[in-house]
Amino acid sequence: EVQLVESGGGLVQPGGSLRLSCAASGFAFSSYWMHWVRQAPGKGLVWVSRINSDGSSTSYVDSVKGRFTISRDNAKNTLYLQMNSLRAEDTAVYYCGRSGSYSISAFDIWGQGTMVTVSS
Amino acid sequence: QSVLTQPPSASGTPGQRVTISCSGSSSNIGSDTVNWYQQVPGTAPKLLIYSNNQRPSGVPDRFSGSKSGTSASLAISGLQSEDEADYYCAAWDDSLNGYVFGTGTKVTVL
Repeated sequence: EVQLVESGGGLVQPGGSLRLSCAASGFAFSSYWMHWVRQAPGKGLVWVSRINSDGSSTSYVDSVKGRFTISRDNAKNTLYLQMNSLRAEDTAVYYCGRSGSYSISAFDIWGQGTMVTVSS
Repeated sequence: QSVLTQPPSASGTPGQRVTISCSGSSSNIGSDTVNWYQQVPGTAPKLLIYSNNQRPSGVPDRFSGSKSGTSASLAISGLQSEDEADYYCAAWDDSLNGYVFGTGTKVTVL
């Protein structure tokens, strides 16, 4: 079964750090671009970051540039999001997603999401 | 923050046709393909339409997409109770160098 499973969310104080993981199974992880998308409580979807298949190219939404780092370990079939200098406005469910099966921009597989709460 | 504008809500009775619009600009919809996602509250989004008008395997043909210039639309024909969900358009934005989602539309089946 093709699957993405996120982990690493939790409660963190403002200014703190957290690393999210996304474990992939059932497909050739190293062949696909991967993304992080977040959704604040009661709000819409916001794309956060993406990484190409070999990890050589990344991009970020402006609000997280310089604070978040996306990376991947193709040997471990795992995607990561290192989040530093966290702010209250980073509170959200974080989803990882795969693109490249139908088109490079269509996210066809999503994880179940992991909740990140930034609060003192 | 969303640069793709959708109506906040849409509704219809079972069997009716509902259309959702997505308005963008030359840097996103005008220069790239549009994808649509369905999200039932409390669950992960699901890819509904890719490349403007293509359906992934398993998506009923009641769902269709189109694009013209800097706008796109999603149509749901033969509306069913299970179609009650939030719907989002999305596209790459050349100016922002990132993907952008629409503001989202909540579809209610009356």
